[in-house]
Amino acid sequence: SSELTQDPAVSVALGQTVRITCQGDSLRNYYASWYQQKPGQAPVLVIYGKNDRPSGIPDRFSGSSSGNTASLTITGAQAEDEVDYYCSSRDSSGNHRVFGTGTKVTVL
Amino acid sequence: QVQLQESGPGLVKPSETLSLTCTVSGGSVSSGSYYWSWIRQPPGKGLEWIGYIYYSGSTNYNPSLKSRVTISIDTSNNRLSLKLSSVTAADTAVYYCARDLVRGVIYAFDIWGQGTMVTVSS
Repeated sequence: SSELTQDPAVSVALGQTVRITCQGDSLRNYYASWYQQKPGQAPVLVIYGKNDRPSGIPDRFSGSSSGNTASLTITGAQAEDEVDYYCSSRDSSGNHRVFGTGTKVTVL
Repeated sequence: QVQLQESGPGLVKPSETLSLTCTVSGGSVSSGSYYWSWIRQPPGKGLEWIGYIYYSGSTNYNPSLKSRVTISIDTSNNRLSLKLSSVTAADTAVYYCARDLVRGVIYAFDIWGQGTMVTVSS
């Protein structure tokens, strides 16, 4: 089982704000990174570090962290944001990488 | 820009060894700034980290797969390889290679290959 837990699904009205959370003990010591995965495609990094976005990622995506929880926020959700999101970080031992269980976002 | 491309057989028989190659273009696997990871995703399921390798050859594997996994690097040909032995149907998945950015407490797979589907079946 994954050491990073995400809600299986969240929904948001078009243009509104949604927060996707990732919980795990390792997040007290390491930053999470966030990935967007469209059907049939490889994941794409959207947020890493404290709140860094790779080139080309819209600024409606932002990240934050508090205690054992990391969050990805989509401000002004668009129809194309209706895909799967995964967090990743170190595991609790700090020795290995681990992915969250994934969250499917539905834009209403 | 840096691109990663996985290649290898799409069908492997049970109990045999899965072998995949990831060719890196537009950059060097010998860059000390990055690790290089393999990640897989069974159909309809989530992502699972398999392991990484550094240009020096040092490796780190997922404990759940460690006894069956070997990752190697060929710096002269700018590619990395994955071998997974004694495969079963549970190893059926899309396999990705990814560049693994590590900066202190920051970890991110910043570039991914397109992935290659491997089916384990007789």
